Amino acid sequence: AQSVAQPEDQVNVAEGNPLTVKCTYSVSGNPYLFWYVQYPNRGLQFLLKYITGDNLVKGSYGFEAEFNKSQTSFHLKKPSALVSDSALYFCAVRDRTISGNTPLVFGKGTRLSVIA
Amino acid sequence: EAGVTQFPSHSVIEKGQTVTLRCDPISGHDNLYWYRRVMGKEIKFLLHFVKESKQDESGMPNNRFLAERTGGTYSTLKVQPAELEDSGVYFCASSVEWGTGELFFGEGSRLTVL
Repeated sequence: AQSVAQPEDQVNVAEGNPLTVKCTYSVSGNPYLFWYVQYPNRGLQFLLKYITGDNLVKGSYGFEAEFNKSQTSFHLKKPSALVSDSALYFCAVRDRTISGNTPLVFGKGTRLSVIA
Repeated sequence: EAGVTQFPSHSVIEKGQTVTLRCDPISGHDNLYWYRRVMGKEIKFLLHFVKESKQDESGMPNNRFLAERTGGTYSTLKVQPAELEDSGVYFCASSVEWGTGELFFGEGSRLTVL
């Protein structure tokens, strides 16, 4: 079965500092990995994805994530946080080696607060 | 281009009543998904339509939940009768392709069952 763990409910960081939001996953085969962000009173928005190829993926708003197969992780990072980055972040996985329509499985989310 | 729209944004009902949530996907998106998030928990998959066909409904909690997508356009999710544990935010999403494609989400319908 597929699963995603986001070990931190809340991450606090000062504006201008680097940020990391952690995600680990479990699939039986190889993963497709995604990050989504939810701003207050909005729907989830796609940030970036790892499908294949380069392990470092760059996405919207200066975010990037690194796929680490040995550690089964896909941590989200940004070199310099902005107050406007404060939101709820969700990691998601789909097992690409399972035939048929397996759904995208989400974690429980991590709330990022960037303090000015 | 209009995004995914959901209605109502918030519904408060008594246990035992019926509620119908509606989702209008992005035009041209054949794939439509329903997800639910209970406070502080994971966003859980409910079901997936491809056009008007139910591709995967493995996440539907029980037979009190009924989803339809007549004509392959908008979708409805009916809960009848509602129970306290049905409270949460119901998200609808749509996509052009399944698999590697990104999902476009609506703002969600918050359901409170008293």
